[in-house]
Amino acid sequence: DAGITQSPRYKITETGRQVTLMCHQTWSHSYMFWYRQDLGHGLRLIYYSAAADITDKGEVPDGYVVSRSKTENFPLTLESATRSQTSVYFCASWSVQETQYFGPGTRLLVL
Amino acid sequence: SQQGEEDPQALSIQEGENATMNCSYKTSINNLQWYRQNSGRGLVHLILIRSNEREKHSGRLRVTLDTSKKSSSLLITASRAADTASYFCATDTGRRALTFGSGTRLQVQP
Repeated sequence: DAGITQSPRYKITETGRQVTLMCHQTWSHSYMFWYRQDLGHGLRLIYYSAAADITDKGEVPDGYVVSRSKTENFPLTLESATRSQTSVYFCASWSVQETQYFGPGTRLLVL
Repeated sequence: SQQGEEDPQALSIQEGENATMNCSYKTSINNLQWYRQNSGRGLVHLILIRSNEREKHSGRLRVTLDTSKKSSSLLITASRAADTASYFCATDTGRRALTFGSGTRLQVQP
């Protein structure tokens, strides 16, 4: 199916563990993004990527690592999870119509 | 920090009424976009207005942009229960990453 998918949809982990959130898009969009949304708030940009092997920090990058070896995939890794990283994580890609398409989100709980 | 602030934070109206949400932002923009988020779901793009446009329509949606005041408004006419959602404005300063406002929670009572 065409679109943007995220996995897992739900994740519970413990403080200090490494967690990787996956994002896959089928449109071959060049730009991809990771946002986090905390309860009752808007989205904040963590990292973004203009193309394969090109990534840049957003507003809240600390504690996160990204990679982009293939255009269609943009994984986000929490190197050592902290409780403050409990959030809903959204991946998005940018279309030539200048709009973003969002995945369904991953709900992460760090205990 | 959030680029945009939205007003009101929450809005409750009856079906058939119009809903107006406002957004203010801080820096120069290329365009401003509005997104909708149903509870527990991802965001869906509604409408985009460029910095050189003042008003745009799409179905029951009307967006205005005042770059001198750094503000925008979203009007939903003849609201329906299915319009119940959170609405976010987002600004693009040219680097394609969006900066989101804090959102307006709209409740449309049947």
